[in-house]
This record gives sequence, structure tokens and C-alpha cells, in this order.
Amino acid sequence: DADVTQTPRNRITKTGKRIMLECSQTKGHDRMYWYRQDPGLGLRLIYYSFDVKDINKGEISDGYSVSRQAQAKFSLSLESAIPNQTALYFCATSDLTSGSTDEQFFGPGTRLTVL
Amino acid sequence: AQSVTQLGSHVSVSEGALVLLRCNYSSSVPPYLFWYVQYPNQGLQLLLKYTSAATLVKGINGFEAEFKKSETSFHLTKPSAHMSDAAEYFCAVSDPNTGGFKTIFGAGTRLFVKA
Repeated sequence: DADVTQTPRNRITKTGKRIMLECSQTKGHDRMYWYRQDPGLGLRLIYYSFDVKDINKGEISDGYSVSRQAQAKFSLSLESAIPNQTALYFCATSDLTSGSTDEQFFGPGTRLTVL
Repeated sequence: AQSVTQLGSHVSVSEGALVLLRCNYSSSVPPYLFWYVQYPNQGLQLLLKYTSAATLVKGINGFEAEFKKSETSFHLTKPSAHMSDAAEYFCAVSDPNTGGFKTIFGAGTRLFVKA
């Protein structure tokens, strides 16, 4: 079974719609991240969370919001989707226990298309 | 501030040939360095990581990378390419002093393997 799961895997929506992408993990990690991947740009951090009560903006948070419902769940919302938010979205987790090097564990991604 | 530069967005090799994917980084402190691989329709998975121990790091699937401080490089190599190595590869850097919450990813290099 996958340790980090994302739903949906693919989504096509229209401009102005509100969209939620969900991420669940069974790794028991405290830290969770949302990235978007665009061709030629690599991965860019949208939001990250160190625990349920800690949410932080990343490099490109405008137009996005997040919710950490539990240690295992971290959702990303697009309040009013626009075409340039068409991208591949990844959720990731990491664990910073003693000796950890912040290796990140990624979900399979959600391909979002905004028409 | 940290940054990562991957030289070459696309690299093509013949099966059995040497694979060399280049990564240069910028960091004001001794960094952690990572190589991740992304197979089609999958999330990223860790190939190998450098965390200030041995400068030559061996990873999965026969890949290795050498940390060269004087050159600020962390190039990924594999002596003999296999068709299954075709994927996109990402170099990443993080600052251990920040708790690793901000990992910077390179733009990625897509590896093609010709039969």
C-alpha cells in the first residue's frame, strides 16, 4: 500500500471553480508539503505544515489555501481556479527525528487542468 | 540563500553507456544534497543523499554521486545505462540548520536511453 496518497489523480475544471486536492499519509510524519511541478521549473513549494497547528506559506502561495485536518491529512484548495494553475501537484512528507536528513516522501501527484 | 542548477534539461545516452547528470549548488552553509528520480506518472523517489559523511554516495539502481565542495557540484553518474533508467531526475539542496523545511529543487533533467 502507498504511504502517501493523493486524490484525485486527475482533475479537469473550469476557471472560477473551487477545487480541493487531498493528501493522506500513513508514515506517521509530522511534516507535510504541497508542491506544484511545471515543465522546466522543477518543483515549487506552495505551503508546508510542521504539525496540525502550524501552517506556513511557501514560495508560491497566492491563490491557494491549505488545511491540516489531522496529522495524516493535508488538503490544498484553489479558491477560484485560473488557467495558469494548470500543473502537476505533489504532496510530500518528511520526518525530522534525530538523525533525519529531511528526505521527503512523495505522493503520486494530481494532474490538474483548468480550462 | 540556496539554489540548484541542473545543466541540461534533456540528456540522451545509448544503452550501456555512461550516464552523467550535472548538478551545481549554491549554499552559505554545508548543505544536504539529494537526487530524486521521477518515473512517468509517479511521484519523486529518493535515489541518494549526501549528509556530510562520505563524499562519494551510492544510491539505488547503481547510481552514485560525488560531493565536490571546491566545485560546488553533486553530479550523478551510472557506469552503464539501462532502458529502465529513462526518467526525470531532480537535484535538490537543503540547509540542515533550518530543520530542512525548505528544500530547493532543480529544474530537472530528463534522461532518454536509446536501444
